[in-house]
Amino acid sequence: DAKTTQPTSMDCAEGRAANLPCNHSTISGNEYVYWYRQIHSQGPQYIIHGLKNNETNEMASLIITEDRKSSTLILPHATLRDTAVYYCIVRIVSFGNEKLTFGTGTRLTIIP
Amino acid sequence: EAQVTQNPRYLITVTGKKLTVTCSQNMNHEYMSWYRQDPGLGLRQIYYSMNVEVTDKGDVPEGYKVSRKEKRNFPLILESPSPNQTSLYFCASSTLGGPGSYEQYFGPGTRLTVT
Repeated sequence: DAKTTQPTSMDCAEGRAANLPCNHSTISGNEYVYWYRQIHSQGPQYIIHGLKNNETNEMASLIITEDRKSSTLILPHATLRDTAVYYCIVRIVSFGNEKLTFGTGTRLTIIP
Repeated sequence: EAQVTQNPRYLITVTGKKLTVTCSQNMNHEYMSWYRQDPGLGLRQIYYSMNVEVTDKGDVPEGYKVSRKEKRNFPLILESPSPNQTSLYFCASSTLGGPGSYEQYFGPGTRLTVT
């Protein structure tokens, strides 16, 4: 699985859009970008994933650059409950060990 | 409601006393996995299972055992716990392969302290 690089921490004002970047310059053609988050020692929670097109669901949007070497997770209207560690993960989808390799993530703090 | 449950949520035990942490999922998932989370080391996979009676080692299997006798259950067994197994443990499940495997569901965690 390709390595990812994320900022250690970020702050965002409540109600504003939170934009979390991720660099994955060594990503290969069959690797997906996934985002999970972990709220204070709870189990990680899936947010969104994508291959090359931008994706949106009820939680967030995922913007992947055309060369796929980086991506941005967007929480459109951040709330205090979005304070968490956000993990960007790159991996292939295959019929085998579905292991997720969590890096250190970005600690996002939403400020009232 | 789709969920992964773990029991117990908190456990304090002594070195050498065998214990089992249970994990159960209600989504008929083929794939289940155990992770441990330690400060500065992130989440590391202990064991995983791709179906009933099919298990394999993850990255840090030493000191742990698992079994998969039923599809819904995947218990983690510590035959002789040691203090270095003090950690936060998570069970996860998903479908196996294909688009449906993108979302893994995690349990709430079990905080284990071995003294």
